[in-house]
Amino acid sequence: EAGVVQSPRYKIIEKKQPVAFWCNPISGHNTLYWYLQNLGQGPELLIRYENEEAVDDSQLPKDRFSAERLKGVDSTLKIQPAELGDSAVYLCASSLRGGYTDTQYFGPGTRLTVL
Amino acid sequence: AQKITQTQPGMFVQEKEAVTLDCTYDTSDPSYGLFWYKQPSSGEMIFLIYQGSYDQQNATEGRYSLNFQKARKSANLVISASQLGDSAMYFCAMREGTFEGAQKLVFGQGTRLTINP
Repeated sequence: EAGVVQSPRYKIIEKKQPVAFWCNPISGHNTLYWYLQNLGQGPELLIRYENEEAVDDSQLPKDRFSAERLKGVDSTLKIQPAELGDSAVYLCASSLRGGYTDTQYFGPGTRLTVL
Repeated sequence: AQKITQTQPGMFVQEKEAVTLDCTYDTSDPSYGLFWYKQPSSGEMIFLIYQGSYDQQNATEGRYSLNFQKARKSANLVISASQLGDSAMYFCAMREGTFEGAQKLVFGQGTRLTINP
């Protein structure tokens, strides 16, 4: 069974440029998550989707970040414009449902460098 | 207050020895799940083991076991017979089940484990 797929794996951009990350979850997983991981720290949730609905986006900086999950499968996370402090790893994860016993499976992440 | 605390920033262990990675958690929710993930230098978060708050027995998965002490709010990961490939960052995480807005997975700061040959 294929795992969570993310692209690109690495991205280097100039500040103020836009950037987008793509995620394809494990087949059949209804819940999709985007996490931000700063160097030396644990991941922090940005947004959680259940099917097409964003059910928790309280940690998403909405002035510059946006996300969508069309048709309840693939998802895209966008930053516009990017700032130096956005340099981090962006992880996508998926799970069957969204309950507290549900295991989340992570993709390889996208390492963003903003110059 | 920190919900997940991992007090060991780094650990060095000889190959084939057992190693225990500490994790304490803080919650007043009776329903919660505890997870351990491994993150090698490649960056992917690999799920290792899960323990539910109502589980009576400690979880085991191959060489991994979870020493769950509910009263002490402790969920230590034990790796038996360590291998060079175990060298990685290890994260403890918790997900609460009942309180509104508590559905997210919260991670600790991680412990970097290095296995020496």
